[in-house]
Amino acid sequence: DQQVKQNSPSLSVQEGRISILNCDYTNSMFDYFLWYKKYPAEGPTFLISISSIKDKNEDGRFTVFLNKSAKHLSLHIVPSQPGDSAVYFCAASEYTNAGKSTFGDGTTLTVKP
Amino acid sequence: GAVVSQHPSWVICKSGTSVKIECRSLDFQATTMFWYRQFPKQSLMLMATSNEGSKATYEQGVEKDKFLINHASLTLSTLTVTSAHPEDSSFYICSARDPSEIEQPQHFGDGTRLSIL
Repeated sequence: DQQVKQNSPSLSVQEGRISILNCDYTNSMFDYFLWYKKYPAEGPTFLISISSIKDKNEDGRFTVFLNKSAKHLSLHIVPSQPGDSAVYFCAASEYTNAGKSTFGDGTTLTVKP
Repeated sequence: GAVVSQHPSWVICKSGTSVKIECRSLDFQATTMFWYRQFPKQSLMLMATSNEGSKATYEQGVEKDKFLINHASLTLSTLTVTSAHPEDSSFYICSARDPSEIEQPQHFGDGTRLSIL
């Protein structure tokens, strides 16, 4: 039973446009969510997070939206840049144990110049 | 920012060999580190939580005697794959959390590609 799902294995977007990456979860105990970005041959790097007391968190070009009732979150990147091309992982945890996260399978984003 | 160093980045060895992977937090102390395994085109699968000064906590289905974890200091955790076989070939990644960071993300090493011949 996969508790965190990223249903789109890949996404291709034109430079300058918006990239929207989606993530769904099933465990209602999750109350803290993070997005990580991963380049080939490197470990994931933290991008942005959101706790369940919020429905939106913004950091520069990156915005994460959380819909608790739908158990759905999304990452918006505006405007998309070629350097954003990477694998994006959604992760969820119980904040009291925030170090232990459950990861989705990742979405490969390609931003075309 | 917080940095986690993982070594080696690539190991190729014969079946039956034991392989040790090191994970170091370079600029912070980590009482807890995490070990993940990633299969091609799949997610990061948590193998175990490494606790400084105590036994590691293993996830269901992970063999404790196969994957030995030692967390002897606040900056170093090691994963030893004992008597490795071809099915152990995978990408292993460690992570640690800096308790001083409010957002508490995990900081990952760059991973170790393990290939067992």
